[in-house]
Amino acid sequence: SQQGEEDPQALSIQEGENATMNCSYKTSINNLQWYRQNSGRGLVHLILIRSNEREKHSGRLRVTLDTSKKSSSLLITASRAADTASYFCATGVLKRAGSYQLTFGKGTKLSVIP
Amino acid sequence: NAGVTQTPKFRVLKTGQSMTLLCAQDMNHEYMYWYRQDPGMGLRLIHYSVGEGTTAKGEVPDGYNVSRLKKQNFLLGLESAAPSQTSVYFCASRPKGYLNEKLFFGSGTQLSVL
Repeated sequence: SQQGEEDPQALSIQEGENATMNCSYKTSINNLQWYRQNSGRGLVHLILIRSNEREKHSGRLRVTLDTSKKSSSLLITASRAADTASYFCATGVLKRAGSYQLTFGKGTKLSVIP
Repeated sequence: NAGVTQTPKFRVLKTGQSMTLLCAQDMNHEYMYWYRQDPGMGLRLIHYSVGEGTTAKGEVPDGYNVSRLKKQNFLLGLESAAPSQTSVYFCASRPKGYLNEKLFFGSGTQLSVL
C-alpha cells in the first residue's frame, strides 16, 4: 500500500516564485526522502531527512519533517523553468537487520512557467 | 561510470509472450530493486534483492520472477505477459548499510502488452 501521499497533485507557478509540496504518511518512519523525475526519465534523489531531524537544506531546497503530524514539506525557492518535473516523497522504514523498505507516494507534478 | 543501466528502453509484447528486462549497475551496490510506475499510482515495488543469489517479494510480485546471479545484474522476467503489466519499469540500487538509503535509478523501460 502507498505510504506517502503528496499534495497537491499538480502545481503551476511562475518562474522566480517558491513552490511548496507536502507529503503525509500513516505509520512511523525512520526517514523520508524526496526524489525528482523529469518527463520520461528515472528518479533522482534530492534530499533525505531522518526521523530525529526537523529541517534540512540543500541549495534551493528546504525540507521539513513533523513526525507528530506525520507530514513533510519540500520547498523550492526561486523556482526556474528547469525545475519543471514530478516530485515524489518516499518513506523509509527499517524492517529488520539489513531490510529497509522505501515506499513512494504518487507525486506532485510541478510546472514552472518562464 | 554508467550508474544503473536498463535494457531495453522500449518493448511491445503480445499477451502471453515472455521477456526479460535487464538491470546492470557498476557501483558495486548490494541492494537492487525493481519498481513499476503507473499513471496516478506512483512507484510500486515488485521484487528486490539484498545480495547476489538472494531475492524477495515486494508489494506487487505476481506475474514476475527475478534473478540475481551476479552482483551487478538484476533480471526481471515476465513469463506470460498480460495487458495489466503495461507500465514503465524502473530498476534501482543502493549500497549496503543503514546510512546508505539513497536509491540510484535507471532511466526505465516502457513496456506495452497488447
